[in-house]
Amino acid sequence: QSVLTQPPSVSGAPGQRVTISCTGSSSNIGDGYNVQWYQQLPGIAPKLLIYGNSNRPSGVPDRFSGSKSGTSASLAITGLQAEDEADYYCQSYDSSLSASAVFGTGTKVTVL
Amino acid sequence: QVQLQESGPGLVKPSQTLSLTCTVSGGSISSGSSYWSWIRQSAGKGLEWIGRIHIGGSTQYNPSLKRRVNISIDTSRNQFSLQLTSVTAADTAVYYCARVYMVQGVISGFDYWGQGTLVTVSS
Repeated sequence: QSVLTQPPSVSGAPGQRVTISCTGSSSNIGDGYNVQWYQQLPGIAPKLLIYGNSNRPSGVPDRFSGSKSGTSASLAITGLQAEDEADYYCQSYDSSLSASAVFGTGTKVTVL
Repeated sequence: QVQLQESGPGLVKPSQTLSLTCTVSGGSISSGSSYWSWIRQSAGKGLEWIGRIHIGGSTQYNPSLKRRVNISIDTSRNQFSLQLTSVTAADTAVYYCARVYMVQGVISGFDYWGQGTLVTVSS
């Protein structure tokens, strides 16, 4: 169902940097639509982490950063902390689906 | 601080209609964002956007659900609602209501979410 592909899992030691990729196509990310990222802790609703490809809402630590290039986007977490262990989802829009919102497959971040 | 709360039956029989309401508090549903959405999450499909409604009443739905979905809004009660007809076990999921984040007129994701409500489709 998901039109945006993410790696199932990434891991890193505390203090390290990890990146999560989000691969789309010419009808979504590549068509100029913005990309958002969400963090989801177990049993809790997703939380907006990055909007408009690279902007952080108020209160989100600057350890989180987003970027977009071509048909892909990335989320980087620097200075990994235990509290960052969660599921992360990218989200964009797709012109082949009448500009419907679409989500990525999700990535589990594990802090070793 | 805007808060959203979903309400409705947690168990729906196959072929029946799933009905949920989202109550917005901490501000008027007509101020801030102009759009409100429903999103669901199941174990097999991850996060799936269901649709959105403008405060003026116009709607947009996920094409895969369009034939079965209706979203409505009652600004006087600060609520918007979801109806999903002819449900099957595949519609079992946690259903979230969310506010569409508008940045300088550009739709940019979802900034406020309800806590989610589990709806199970089973006889």
